Amino acid sequence: DAKTTQPNSMESNEEEPVHLPCNHSTISGTDYIHWYRQLPSQGPEYVIHGLTSNVNNRMASLAIAEDRKSSTLILHRATLRDAAVYYCIRASSTGNQFYFGTGTSLTVIP
Amino acid sequence: DAMVIQNPRYQVTQFGKPVTLSCSQTLNHNVMYWYQQKSSQAPKLLFHYYDKDFNNEADTPDNFQSRRPNTSFCFLDIRSPGLGDAAMYLCATSRPGGTFYEQYFGPGTRLTVT
Repeated sequence: DAKTTQPNSMESNEEEPVHLPCNHSTISGTDYIHWYRQLPSQGPEYVIHGLTSNVNNRMASLAIAEDRKSSTLILHRATLRDAAVYYCIRASSTGNQFYFGTGTSLTVIP
Repeated sequence: DAMVIQNPRYQVTQFGKPVTLSCSQTLNHNVMYWYQQKSSQAPKLLFHYYDKDFNNEADTPDNFQSRRPNTSFCFLDIRSPGLGDAAMYLCATSRPGGTFYEQYFGPGTRLTVT
Protein backbone atom coordinates (compact mmCIF):
# COMPACT_ATOMS: atom_id res chain seq x y z
CA ASP A 1 0.00 0.00 0.00
CA ALA A 2 1.72 3.16 -1.18
CA LYS A 3 -0.08 5.13 1.50
CA THR A 4 1.53 3.21 4.39
CA THR A 5 5.24 3.85 4.74
CA GLN A 6 7.92 2.47 7.05
CA PRO A 7 11.73 2.77 7.32
CA ASN A 8 13.47 0.16 5.19
CA SER A 9 15.63 -1.13 8.01
CA MET A 10 16.43 -0.69 11.69
CA GLU A 11 18.93 -2.16 14.12
CA SER A 12 18.65 -2.87 17.82
CA ASN A 13 20.86 -4.34 20.48
CA GLU A 14 19.65 -7.50 22.14
CA GLU A 15 17.66 -6.96 25.35
CA GLU A 16 16.92 -3.33 24.48
CA PRO A 17 13.54 -1.85 23.48
CA VAL A 18 12.76 -1.26 19.82
CA HIS A 19 10.37 1.31 18.42
CA LEU A 20 9.23 0.63 14.85
CA PRO A 21 7.38 3.58 13.28
CA CYS A 22 4.71 3.59 10.60
CA ASN A 23 3.16 6.47 8.70
CA HIS A 24 -0.43 6.03 7.51
CA SER A 25 -1.45 9.62 7.01
CA THR A 26 -4.42 8.83 4.73
CA ILE A 27 -5.98 6.15 6.90
CA SER A 28 -9.76 6.16 7.17
CA GLY A 29 -11.23 6.91 10.56
CA THR A 30 -12.50 3.37 10.97
CA ASP A 31 -9.63 1.37 9.43
CA TYR A 32 -7.76 -0.87 11.84
CA ILE A 33 -3.97 -0.82 12.13
CA HIS A 34 -2.38 -4.26 12.20
CA TRP A 35 1.24 -5.32 12.59
CA TYR A 36 2.66 -8.60 11.31
CA ARG A 37 6.18 -9.93 11.05
CA GLN A 38 7.71 -12.28 8.52
CA LEU A 39 10.72 -14.54 8.82
CA PRO A 40 12.54 -15.70 5.67
CA SER A 41 10.63 -18.33 3.68
CA GLN A 42 7.63 -18.16 6.02
CA GLY A 43 4.21 -16.56 5.91
CA PRO A 44 3.58 -13.40 7.94
CA GLU A 45 2.73 -13.85 11.61
CA TYR A 46 0.28 -11.69 13.55
CA VAL A 47 1.78 -9.39 16.19
CA ILE A 48 -0.85 -6.89 17.33
CA HIS A 49 -3.63 -4.60 16.12
CA GLY A 50 -5.67 -1.63 17.28
CA LEU A 51 -8.04 1.14 16.28
CA THR A 52 -7.52 4.21 18.44
CA SER A 53 -6.29 3.25 21.88
CA ASN A 54 -2.86 1.94 22.70
CA VAL A 55 -2.77 -1.86 22.89
CA ASN A 56 -0.61 -4.35 24.75
CA ASN A 57 -0.21 -8.09 24.38
CA ARG A 58 2.40 -10.68 25.28
CA MET A 59 4.43 -9.96 22.17
CA ALA A 60 4.44 -6.18 21.91
CA SER A 61 2.73 -2.85 22.46
CA LEU A 62 1.10 -0.63 19.87
CA ALA A 63 1.04 3.12 20.31
CA ILE A 64 -1.36 4.97 18.01
CA ALA A 65 -1.08 8.70 17.53
CA GLU A 66 -4.07 10.73 18.58
CA ASP A 67 -4.69 11.85 14.98
CA ARG A 68 -4.17 8.20 13.80
CA LYS A 69 -1.78 9.32 11.08
CA SER A 70 1.03 7.24 12.55
CA SER A 71 1.66 4.37 14.90
CA THR A 72 4.61 2.72 16.62
CA LEU A 73 5.19 -0.94 17.36
CA ILE A 74 7.18 -1.40 20.56
CA LEU A 75 9.14 -4.53 21.34
CA HIS A 76 10.06 -4.16 24.97
CA ARG A 77 13.18 -6.34 24.97
CA ALA A 78 14.49 -7.39 21.59
CA THR A 79 15.75 -10.96 21.25
CA LEU A 80 17.56 -12.59 18.36
CA ARG A 81 14.29 -14.35 17.47
CA ASP A 82 12.68 -10.95 16.86
CA ALA A 83 14.84 -10.37 13.78
CA ALA A 84 12.32 -10.25 10.93
CA VAL A 85 10.57 -7.93 8.49
CA TYR A 86 7.82 -6.05 10.30
CA TYR A 87 4.81 -4.89 8.32
CA CYS A 88 2.34 -2.20 9.28
CA ILE A 89 -1.02 -2.88 7.66
CA ARG A 90 -4.01 -0.72 6.93
CA ALA A 91 -7.04 -2.93 7.38
CA SER A 92 -10.03 -1.64 5.46
CA SER A 93 -13.14 -1.00 7.51
CA THR A 94 -15.41 -1.28 4.48
CA GLY A 95 -14.53 -4.87 3.68
CA ASN A 96 -12.08 -7.56 4.62
CA GLN A 97 -9.03 -6.16 2.83
CA PHE A 98 -5.58 -5.88 4.36
CA TYR A 99 -3.09 -3.54 2.67
CA PHE A 100 0.55 -4.04 3.64
CA GLY A 101 2.97 -1.18 4.20
CA THR A 102 6.50 -1.18 2.83
CA GLY A 103 7.99 -3.14 5.74
CA THR A 104 10.97 -2.64 8.08
CA SER A 105 13.74 -5.21 8.27
CA LEU A 106 14.82 -5.44 11.90
CA THR A 107 18.31 -6.63 12.75
CA VAL A 108 19.03 -7.58 16.37
CA ILE A 109 22.66 -7.33 17.38
CA PRO A 110 23.85 -9.76 20.08
CA ASP B 1 -1.49 -28.67 14.20
CA ALA B 2 -1.18 -27.18 10.71
CA MET B 3 -3.91 -24.58 10.26
CA VAL B 4 -3.33 -23.12 6.78
CA ILE B 5 -1.70 -25.52 4.37
CA GLN B 6 -0.35 -24.66 0.97
CA ASN B 7 0.63 -27.17 -1.67
CA PRO B 8 3.02 -27.45 -3.21
CA ARG B 9 5.65 -25.38 -1.37
CA TYR B 10 7.63 -24.98 -4.59
CA GLN B 11 6.17 -25.00 -8.09
CA VAL B 12 7.95 -24.67 -11.40
CA THR B 13 5.96 -23.99 -14.54
CA GLN B 14 6.72 -23.00 -18.09
CA PHE B 15 5.96 -19.66 -19.65
CA GLY B 16 2.32 -19.72 -20.75
CA LYS B 17 1.48 -23.08 -19.15
CA PRO B 18 -1.50 -22.88 -16.77
CA VAL B 19 -0.76 -23.61 -13.15
CA THR B 20 -2.92 -24.09 -10.04
CA LEU B 21 -1.86 -23.46 -6.47
CA SER B 22 -3.89 -24.84 -3.61
CA CYS B 23 -4.69 -23.80 -0.06
CA SER B 24 -6.60 -25.61 2.65
CA GLN B 25 -7.48 -24.64 6.20
CA THR B 26 -8.53 -26.44 9.36
CA LEU B 27 -9.76 -23.28 11.12
CA ASN B 28 -13.23 -23.21 9.54
CA HIS B 29 -12.77 -19.52 8.80
CA ASN B 30 -15.20 -17.80 6.46
CA VAL B 31 -12.68 -15.52 4.78
CA MET B 32 -9.79 -16.70 2.59
CA TYR B 33 -7.21 -14.50 0.89
CA TRP B 34 -4.58 -14.79 -1.83
CA TYR B 35 -1.53 -12.53 -1.83
CA GLN B 36 1.37 -12.20 -4.24
CA GLN B 37 4.79 -11.37 -2.78
CA LYS B 38 7.65 -10.62 -5.12
CA SER B 39 11.25 -10.69 -3.99
CA SER B 40 12.04 -8.06 -1.32
CA GLN B 41 8.54 -6.61 -1.55
CA ALA B 42 5.51 -6.59 0.72
CA PRO B 43 2.62 -8.96 0.09
CA LYS B 44 0.03 -7.59 -2.31
CA LEU B 45 -3.60 -8.60 -2.01
CA LEU B 46 -4.97 -10.25 -5.17
CA PHE B 47 -8.48 -11.21 -4.04
CA HIS B 48 -10.44 -12.73 -1.21
CA TYR B 49 -13.54 -14.80 -0.56
CA TYR B 50 -16.11 -14.21 2.12
CA ASP B 51 -17.78 -17.62 2.07
CA LYS B 52 -18.54 -17.98 -1.65
CA ASP B 53 -18.62 -14.25 -2.28
CA PHE B 54 -15.59 -13.40 -4.45
CA ASN B 55 -13.91 -9.99 -4.09
CA ASN B 56 -11.32 -9.04 -6.67
CA GLU B 57 -8.86 -6.18 -6.20
CA ALA B 58 -9.15 -3.60 -8.98
CA ASP B 59 -5.54 -3.99 -10.10
CA THR B 60 -5.40 -7.80 -10.11
CA PRO B 61 -4.65 -8.96 -13.68
CA ASP B 62 -7.28 -11.06 -15.46
CA ASN B 63 -4.64 -13.77 -15.77
CA PHE B 64 -5.30 -14.61 -12.12
CA GLN B 65 -8.44 -16.50 -11.18
CA SER B 66 -9.63 -18.23 -8.03
CA ARG B 67 -12.02 -20.97 -6.98
CA ARG B 68 -13.41 -21.88 -3.59
CA PRO B 69 -15.36 -25.15 -3.82
CA ASN B 70 -15.99 -25.36 -0.06
CA THR B 71 -15.04 -23.70 3.23
CA SER B 72 -11.80 -25.59 3.58
CA PHE B 73 -10.24 -25.21 0.14
CA CYS B 74 -9.29 -22.35 -2.13
CA PHE B 75 -7.35 -22.43 -5.41
CA LEU B 76 -5.34 -19.86 -7.33
CA ASP B 77 -5.27 -20.39 -11.08
CA ILE B 78 -2.77 -18.56 -13.27
CA ARG B 79 -4.01 -19.03 -16.81
CA SER B 80 -0.91 -18.03 -18.75
CA PRO B 81 2.05 -17.41 -16.45
CA GLY B 82 4.59 -14.85 -17.52
CA LEU B 83 8.08 -14.32 -16.18
CA GLY B 84 6.73 -11.44 -14.11
CA ASP B 85 4.42 -13.79 -12.22
CA ALA B 86 7.33 -15.50 -10.50
CA ALA B 87 6.73 -14.83 -6.81
CA MET B 88 5.73 -16.27 -3.46
CA TYR B 89 1.97 -16.79 -3.28
CA LEU B 90 0.51 -16.60 0.20
CA CYS B 91 -2.88 -17.86 1.35
CA ALA B 92 -4.47 -16.54 4.54
CA THR B 93 -7.71 -16.94 6.46
CA SER B 94 -9.65 -14.93 9.01
CA ARG B 95 -12.93 -14.97 10.86
CA PRO B 96 -15.72 -12.74 9.57
CA GLY B 97 -16.09 -9.36 11.19
CA GLY B 98 -14.27 -7.13 8.77
CA THR B 99 -10.71 -6.51 9.75
CA PHE B 100 -11.22 -6.69 13.50
CA TYR B 101 -9.69 -10.16 13.54
CA GLU B 102 -6.18 -11.21 12.63
CA GLN B 103 -5.22 -13.24 9.59
CA TYR B 104 -3.57 -16.66 9.67
CA PHE B 105 -1.08 -17.22 6.88
CA GLY B 106 0.14 -20.36 5.25
CA PRO B 107 3.84 -20.92 4.51
CA GLY B 108 3.43 -19.88 0.88
CA THR B 109 4.09 -21.46 -2.52
CA ARG B 110 7.14 -20.20 -4.38
CA LEU B 111 6.38 -20.13 -8.09
CA THR B 112 9.17 -20.19 -10.68
CA VAL B 113 8.38 -19.53 -14.33
CA THR B 114 10.89 -20.82 -16.87
